[in-house]
Amino acid sequence: AQKITQTQPGMFVQEKEAVTLDCTYDTSDPSYGLFWYKQPSSGEMIFLIYQGSYDQQNATEGRYSLNFQKARKSANLVISASQLGDSAMYFCAMREGPGGGYQKVTFGTGTKLQVIP
Amino acid sequence: EAGVAQSPRYKIIEKRQSVAFWCNPISGHATLYWYQQILGQGPKLLIQFQNNGVVDDSQLPKDRFSAERLKGVDSTLKIQPAKLEDSAVYLCASRHSVAANEKLFFGSGTQLSVL
Repeated sequence: AQKITQTQPGMFVQEKEAVTLDCTYDTSDPSYGLFWYKQPSSGEMIFLIYQGSYDQQNATEGRYSLNFQKARKSANLVISASQLGDSAMYFCAMREGPGGGYQKVTFGTGTKLQVIP
Repeated sequence: EAGVAQSPRYKIIEKRQSVAFWCNPISGHATLYWYQQILGQGPKLLIQFQNNGVVDDSQLPKDRFSAERLKGVDSTLKIQPAKLEDSAVYLCASRHSVAANEKLFFGSGTQLSVL
């Protein structure tokens, strides 16, 4: 079974509009965390946002927010006021396992977001 | 603070040849990951080190891939012999690993083309 599922291979959004990128996950570990990374065409992996399984509030970082629904095992990324520079691949990732450096980090297949002027 | 260093940036080899990639993580980061990213796909974990010990190598094709992190700092990933399907970007990442929300820091990657 897939640990991280991103069902949207590609998405289009109008500049200045908001967009939601979907991510569902599968784990039996009570302590886990979800990351979102952005990968522009240059190839670098840029960290966007993190949500821990015990965090009481949804994470926010500037224009990025994470819609965390624990019971549904979903951790969708919301980008508000899209900009042309947001065009990139977006990856959802999950850390799980015992603490410290023994935690495994698994990535989804990604969603390619294109922002239209 | 220096980032994760990887070399070479690009490598072109013929099938059945051998190749090695090098990674130097951020100073003080005990956890080091090697990921394989095939074009259009997400990164796939090949091997994870905690200091100089292997934590997970369940997806490493051990008949042709090997990796080491002898002194718990820099690491080398080797492929011998290479196959066409090994064409990918090999990403090295490191993590401090103390706090649960510690993110992975990635290097620029090595783009491998096997002809």
